[in-house]
Amino acid sequence: EIVLTQSPATLSLSPGDRATLSCRASQSVRSFLAWYQQKPGQAPRLLIYDASNRATGIPARFSGSGSGTDFTLTISSLEPEDFAVYYCQQRSSWPPLTFGGGTKVEIK
Amino acid sequence: QVQLQESGPGLVKPSETLSLTCAVSGFSVSINYYWGWIRQPPGKGLEWVGSVHHSGNTYYNPSLKSRLTISLDTSKNHFSLKLSFVTAADTAVYYCVRHSDSTGTTAFDIWGQGTMVTVSS
Repeated sequence: EIVLTQSPATLSLSPGDRATLSCRASQSVRSFLAWYQQKPGQAPRLLIYDASNRATGIPARFSGSGSGTDFTLTISSLEPEDFAVYYCQQRSSWPPLTFGGGTKVEIK
Repeated sequence: QVQLQESGPGLVKPSETLSLTCAVSGFSVSINYYWGWIRQPPGKGLEWVGSVHHSGNTYYNPSLKSRLTISLDTSKNHFSLKLSFVTAADTAVYYCVRHSDSTGTTAFDIWGQGTMVTVSS
């Protein structure tokens, strides 16, 4: 099973700041990594798939990069609605499909 | 617009079987996608439960495989989950999802709103 480790667990930032979230895989997942955003009481929403492709309707301030074992989700300038929990997920080797433990982006 | 909607009991007794259905609208389950389930215990992260391919092939999380059945009903355009011998550890919000590994957006691109299932006597 591929284990995904996200860091940091919590990121305390202000609106307008740049957010950099990390996801590290226990073995190469090539570029088969996605990022999701989840707000309280809501289902997760797909942001990025295959490491760097923005999903439909996702603003350009969200970008993904990386390949192999190290990946980054960057939010260039935080909007108030971006404070949420973010998860990475791999589809390189399954079953099982696996998620990281999440990074909470909170208002400083 | 593709929509997924979960339905099923919100309370299940320990050792019994949890049964959920996901109704799909705006898209046929017979088209080349996977239809799956993801769960989230209260205050915790996401866990993939399993998926069924449009062909009928199933893929299960090894940690649940011995208790799990996922099936597709093309006539009703829905898919279902059955998890047997449940315990309190199965208490979670269960989401139904669509995903692909070769067509279009290759990730969990469509999610249901989720349904809370509590295992308790």
